[in-house]
Amino acid sequence: NAGVMQNPRHLVRRRGQEARLRCSPMKGHSHVYWYRQLPEEGLKFMVYLQKENIIDESGMPKERFSAEFPKEGPSILRIQQVVRGDSAAYFCASSRDRDAEQYFGPGTRLTVT
Amino acid sequence: GENVEQHPSTLSVQEGDSAVIKCTYSDSASNYFPWYKQELGKGPQLIIDIRSNVGEKKDQRIAVTLNKTAKHFSLHITETQPEDSAVYFCAVNFGNEKLTFGTGTRLTIIP
Repeated sequence: NAGVMQNPRHLVRRRGQEARLRCSPMKGHSHVYWYRQLPEEGLKFMVYLQKENIIDESGMPKERFSAEFPKEGPSILRIQQVVRGDSAAYFCASSRDRDAEQYFGPGTRLTVT
Repeated sequence: GENVEQHPSTLSVQEGDSAVIKCTYSDSASNYFPWYKQELGKGPQLIIDIRSNVGEKKDQRIAVTLNKTAKHFSLHITETQPEDSAVYFCAVNFGNEKLTFGTGTRLTIIP
C-alpha cells in the first residue's frame, strides 16, 4: 500500500530555469495539496486540487507558479524562471475526501543556484 | 485571520519523562486539529488528530487534548523514548480544507 510519492527528491536548477515537481497521491485519494517549507520554518499552504480542478490557489504566488492535477497521471507543480528565493522543500499531501486526514509525501528539495 | 501559535519552540526531556506541546488558534470555526512528526530529511507524518466534537483522544503513548472554549490543543507524549526525537507540528483546518501549521517544536530526548 504505497504512500504519497514525490519525485524528484532533490532538484537543482540555475536561476531562470524551470522546475517541475511531481506528486502521485495515495491509492484512492483524489484530493491533492501542495505546501512549501523554508528552512527551520513550518509548512505553508500553496494550492489545493482535485482531479482536473484547482479548488484553492490562495497560497500560490500569482506569477511563475502553476499547478495541475490531470485526469491521468500525477499532480505537477511548475515553477518558471526560478529565483534563489524559491529554494525550499515542497511537500505534497493527499486525502480521500474534503476534511479527511492529509498524508504527506517525502518532499522535493529544490535548490536554485 | 487564521493564526496558529505553537510553544515551546524547543524542548528537551529526559528519557522516560513526559513531553507536552501546546498550540493556540485564532478562529472558533476550526474543526480539525492534527499533529505531525517530522524527522530530518523526511515528510511530515500524521501521528494523531482530533475533531471539534471530541475533548481528548489517546493512542498508546500519545494523546491530544482540545479546549475549544480557550482555543487551544495540546500534544502529550508519555514514557518518551530516543526515537521520539523530531520536530513536531500542530495544524488547524479552519473549515477550508487546507491546513495552517504552527512553527514547530524541536523535541530532544536525552538518554
